[in-house]
Amino acid sequence: SQTIHQWPATLVQPVGSPLSLECTVEGTSNPNLYWYRQAAGRGLQLLFYSVGIGQISSEVPQNLSASRPQDRQFILSSKKLLLSDSGFYLCAWSVSGEEKLFFGSGTQLSVL
Amino acid sequence: AQSVTQLDSQVPVFEEAPVELRCNYSSSVSVYLFWYVQYPNQGLQLLLKYLSGSTLVKGINGFEAEFNKSQTSFHLRKPSVHISDTAEYFCAVRKGSNDYKLSFGAGTTVTVRA
Repeated sequence: SQTIHQWPATLVQPVGSPLSLECTVEGTSNPNLYWYRQAAGRGLQLLFYSVGIGQISSEVPQNLSASRPQDRQFILSSKKLLLSDSGFYLCAWSVSGEEKLFFGSGTQLSVL
Repeated sequence: AQSVTQLDSQVPVFEEAPVELRCNYSSSVSVYLFWYVQYPNQGLQLLLKYLSGSTLVKGINGFEAEFNKSQTSFHLRKPSVHISDTAEYFCAVRKGSNDYKLSFGAGTTVTVRA
């Protein structure tokens, strides 16, 4: 069966420090991969999605970047975190051509 | 571009009472519609979806939703809630079969009390 792993679960980082959040999917090949952010009191905002290795689409201009070095690995990064980067980050995957998203358990990021 | 509006941010409800969560969307093209649920300390999971066909769709845990094209709405309902239905509910829209992106509403927190 397919599973999605996202880590860490919580992270507290100082302003200006780098960030690396990792997400891996098991049990499927060539998934579509997504990074969402849920800020307090707001909905889920799509940050990045990828339909294949090395293919990244960015939805909103921001301080973050994403990479897909392997088929089932999706990494969210920042060189210098801002206070406004605080939020709940969710990785998700879907089968190409299908509409159902499967979400990871999320990372609560606090930038202080 | 499509957008999703969930009209209620908080919905308190007593156990065994009915609940309706409202969702409206704006889009110039046909869309697929979804409701996702996030139980406390768990990830999001799909509750139900509308792709085509019957406008009344049934999901897990006794929930159902009705697609109303003229009102661009996709309200979620349950006739009798349980304590275990306490969760955050998200309405989402996707623009057809060739679009990978889901646009989510801000969420509605449902708190069920005994």
